[in-house]
Amino acid sequence: DAGVIQSPRHEVTEMGQEVTLRCKPISGHDYLFWYRQTMMRGLELLIYFNNNVPIDDSGMPEDRFSAKMPNASFSTLKIQPSEPRDSAVYFCASSFGTSGTNEQFFGPGTRLTVL
Amino acid sequence: QKEVEQDPGPLSVPEGAIVSLNCTYSNSAFQYFMWYRQYSRKGPELLMYTYSSGNKEDGRFTAQVDKSSKYISLFIRDSQPSDSATYLCGVYSSASKIIFGSGTRLSIRP
Repeated sequence: DAGVIQSPRHEVTEMGQEVTLRCKPISGHDYLFWYRQTMMRGLELLIYFNNNVPIDDSGMPEDRFSAKMPNASFSTLKIQPSEPRDSAVYFCASSFGTSGTNEQFFGPGTRLTVL
Repeated sequence: QKEVEQDPGPLSVPEGAIVSLNCTYSNSAFQYFMWYRQYSRKGPELLMYTYSSGNKEDGRFTAQVDKSSKYISLFIRDSQPSDSATYLCGVYSSASKIIFGSGTRLSIRP
């Protein structure tokens, strides 16, 4: 398996523009997580899905952020409108089950810069 | 107070030294603890996990949990330049989520 795939790897956009980040989880995994990593706040969970259904979106910073998982092999994280403070690395991760022993496999991340 | 606190470093040690990385956590109900390693410009990857208190060893790496003091440690013996990375501690919460520390950036000098 190719692992978790994220696109694009880098995104530079201007304030106010819509940004869409994409993720393909590992085949067979039933949990998908979206994280954001910054120097100031570390690695934060934004939202996670189980069997394509959003379970917990309490980490989504505000209404400008939305996430969807239309099928088991694809998820998107959208920011509209984007702001400079959204600049961060966004990671997608997937796992089979979720417990203390179920490893989360991370993608390579999308580095977002909002000017 | 953050649920998981970790010294961000950076920490720089000479090759061959023993490295000690530490975290504290606030909720005594946490049972599963883990360490992820993140190389520059890459996603985190699981290094090892432990359940409840005690030690777990895997090669040069030892994870230790002291639930009485809510303290998590990772020891690296005979450190190598290839160990240079950011190390994130994590605790598994009852809400099916991992709460990560902010990460400690480690550099091993040849």
